[in-house]
Amino acid sequence: DVKVTQSSRYLVKRTGEKVFLECVQDMDHENMFWYRQDPGLGLRLIYFSYDVKMKEKGDIPEGYSVSREKKERFSLILESASTNQTSMYLCASSPSGRAPYEQYFGPGTRLTVT
Amino acid sequence: GQNIDQPTEMTATEGAIVQINCTYQTSGFNGLFWYQQHAGEAPTFLSYNVLDGLEEKGRFSSFLSRSKGYSYLLLKELQMKDSASYLCAVYSSASKIIFGSGTRLSIRP
Repeated sequence: DVKVTQSSRYLVKRTGEKVFLECVQDMDHENMFWYRQDPGLGLRLIYFSYDVKMKEKGDIPEGYSVSREKKERFSLILESASTNQTSMYLCASSPSGRAPYEQYFGPGTRLTVT
Repeated sequence: GQNIDQPTEMTATEGAIVQINCTYQTSGFNGLFWYQQHAGEAPTFLSYNVLDGLEEKGRFSSFLSRSKGYSYLLLKELQMKDSASYLCAVYSSASKIIFGSGTRLSIRP
């Protein structure tokens, strides 16, 4: 079974803090993704990566950065957390090169910024 | 622009059939996903349609019409555990997957 794990299920941080969200997958997938999920807005892509040390901006990258130093690990960084970054953050991974390009999701991290 | 529309909420009765519709307008199209997401959990993959037509997988079926930009997910013999959100997502150009806002399905006894 594919397993995608995220470092925390719940996190509370203060405005201005630097926040690290970690994601690890154990299926040797090339592609990894970070989404945030908000009521009424669905999943929105923040950043994705197709390979080690490679990153691409998604639809809402502002206020975020990412790091992929190893194939299995994809980190999302909030340089200076703000209250509008309170959300559910979901990491996903998928293999490349073969349909259906299904994404496997981690359990999510519910981040609250106060 | 990119747009995926699906109803926000639906209610159905245990044992019945329900159809969840999804319409999309995206720049490029490689396929359409349906995911199921129970409250507080991660989305899990249900189906992926590339060609027009109906694909059946047990109690769940998914239909695609590329010319109409339309898909539906059909759930038969509804069970209480089918209460969840159902997410329609399009695999567009540039290898991106775009998600709709999801349809929250409630099953009543």
